[in-house]
Amino acid sequence: QVHLVQSGAEVKMPGASVKVSCKASGYSFSDYYLYWVRQAPGQGLEWMGWINPKRGVTDWAQNFHGRVTLTWDTSISTAYMELNRLTSDDAAVYYCARQNGGSAYFDSWGQGTLISVSS
Amino acid sequence: QSVLTQPPSVSGAPGQRVSISCAGSSTNVGAGYDVHWYQQLPGTAPQLIIYDKNNRPSGVPDRFSASRSGTSASLAIIGLQAEDEAYYYCQSYDGSLPARFIFGSGTKLTVL
Repeated sequence: QVHLVQSGAEVKMPGASVKVSCKASGYSFSDYYLYWVRQAPGQGLEWMGWINPKRGVTDWAQNFHGRVTLTWDTSISTAYMELNRLTSDDAAVYYCARQNGGSAYFDSWGQGTLISVSS
Repeated sequence: QSVLTQPPSVSGAPGQRVSISCAGSSTNVGAGYDVHWYQQLPGTAPQLIIYDKNNRPSGVPDRFSASRSGTSASLAIIGLQAEDEAYYYCQSYDGSLPARFIFGSGTKLTVL
């Protein structure tokens, strides 16, 4: 059974950085794209970027260009999302989600990580 | 702002049928990309309930079904139950540059 387990909630000051982890189990980590999606309070879903561990490539949405870093450690089946220069607009729940093979949907999601930004 | 437009809210009484629309454009739904649907219960992560043409993951009741026509898609729920009260999101792919996954704006379903 596929499981994605994320790190816990954090409170950050404006201008700081945050790093969220997503540990995968129940499947071959390298064989699937892993996406990061965020949801601001009371808002919809917004994709931030993705990793492809097998090909060793990542990409991110234009909205986050220059502020987001996506990495992974295949040896422990864990992906990381680091977001820099936080503002109040970055307060949200951040999810990791697995893309299903060659299809364009997400079949498994992490439980979410709440990031609060406050001085 | 979401590329796929959904009504903010819909409601129905237990046992009734409700439908949630998802309006796209010629670069996503109209281009033939599949539309997928997620259910998000309060305080939880989205969960896939419909994928590809009209498939349901294991455990999702057959009360949920999906359809599409032109640049729009819709999710239908029959025999509405209290446990169906949640937010619902459609999701597709947009082939315009930069190509990317896109989500709907979300619809809150209230069971009266």
